[in-house]
Amino acid sequence: AQTVTQSQPEMSVQEAETVTLSCTYDTSESNYYLFWYKQPPSRQMILVIRQEAYKQQNATENRFSVNFQKAAKSFSLKISDSQLGDTAMYFCAFMSQGGSEKLVFGKGTKLTVNP
Amino acid sequence: NAGVTQTPKFRVLKTGQSMTLLCAQDMNHEYMYWYRQDPGMGLRLIHYSVGEGTTAKGEVPDGYNVSRLKKQNFLLGLESAAPSQTSVYFCASDGGRTSKNIQYFGAGTRLSVL
Repeated sequence: AQTVTQSQPEMSVQEAETVTLSCTYDTSESNYYLFWYKQPPSRQMILVIRQEAYKQQNATENRFSVNFQKAAKSFSLKISDSQLGDTAMYFCAFMSQGGSEKLVFGKGTKLTVNP
Repeated sequence: NAGVTQTPKFRVLKTGQSMTLLCAQDMNHEYMYWYRQDPGMGLRLIHYSVGEGTTAKGEVPDGYNVSRLKKQNFLLGLESAAPSQTSVYFCASDGGRTSKNIQYFGAGTRLSVL
């Protein structure tokens, strides 16, 4: 079974600075998807970024980018120019390609952006 | 667009009571899921469905039942609630390749079992 590990339960960063959240996963599959979801205090789960494992190019979405290292099974999220609205729980998630589209989540990293 | 709608948003039950959580999606998605979120545990899959009339067990299915009689609805039932089922419950739907394999979540239901 796949597992997802987020080794940083909590992190903090100053507004306008850059922060990197770590995620590692374990799988024997070669084709899969990886996601970062954000959960602000409102509790709503919001997709931040998506990566397809067969694509070597790292995904980017505005201030959010990933460092995808397939061989190392690592999928870190970099947030540039941090904003107060980035304060949230961040979850890394894994999905096998094909089949039931189930997500396996890490336990999350609580990020606080300080003014 | 409503997306994924969960009802109710909050509920308090006494031990042994039953209830049903309703999830409705208007995106014509084939796949639907129920998760529970507990502090420090992330989201864990309870049950899921890969299409109308189908259901399957996830990681933590005990004490829950589900039904998917209509494609747009996915119901989660607790027949005899226990304090261990106090949690926040999330429903999600996914259209597979048509939605780039992205799961869309409802706003969650906070359930307390006393």
